[in-house]
Amino acid sequence: GENVEQHPSTLSVQEGDSAVIKCTYSDSASNYFPWYKQELGKGPQLIIDIRSNVGEKKDQRIAVTLNKTAKHFSLHITETQPEDSAVYFCAAIMEYGNKLVFGAGTILRVKS
Amino acid sequence: DGGITQSPKYLFRKEGQNVTLSCEQNLNHDAMYWYRQDPGQGLRLIYYSQIVNDFQKGDIAEGYSVSREKKESFPLTVTSAQKNPTAFYLCASSFFGGHTDTQYFGPGTRLTVL
Repeated sequence: GENVEQHPSTLSVQEGDSAVIKCTYSDSASNYFPWYKQELGKGPQLIIDIRSNVGEKKDQRIAVTLNKTAKHFSLHITETQPEDSAVYFCAAIMEYGNKLVFGAGTILRVKS
Repeated sequence: DGGITQSPKYLFRKEGQNVTLSCEQNLNHDAMYWYRQDPGQGLRLIYYSQIVNDFQKGDIAEGYSVSREKKESFPLTVTSAQKNPTAFYLCASSFFGGHTDTQYFGPGTRLTVL
């Protein structure tokens, strides 16, 4: 069935280090992959997204890479700061049903 | 959270009672969505609507109902038929509801059934 797997479930890094979160998806027809950041008690906010016609996209300290052959995509955060601490969700559009399917989330803790 | 509002932020209900969660958007988006979030799980789609007076079931629609009488509003009713209604409920909207359309989320409503 339609599935997005996300790893790791928790990630602790020292301030200033990089953080990488990886997701794999099952539907080879998927062509849109957003990443959301959710702070405690709030709704998710889109931080970056990538479409299947590109392999990488950057926005300041955040980047996303996509490998369509292997069906996985990753979020990279460089020079992490304490305010980066949150839950991060990946998602993929599943062609069948025309809907977003979310990963289970990664709790990122940035230690100062 | 942009122009999407959800109310109330916290809601407590007794078992067996129906409860309606509000979602309003002023972004002029055509499509609206309801998701459920449980600890340690990703968001799961309950219902979505791509146009006024039309809506579709998501993956976990049983025990829920919706209406879409106005473009700005997409209320969700959690009925007594929902076996485990305690959860964090999130509403989202997007411009057209197309499959590569960015979804924007509201702040959520935490429902606790006692």
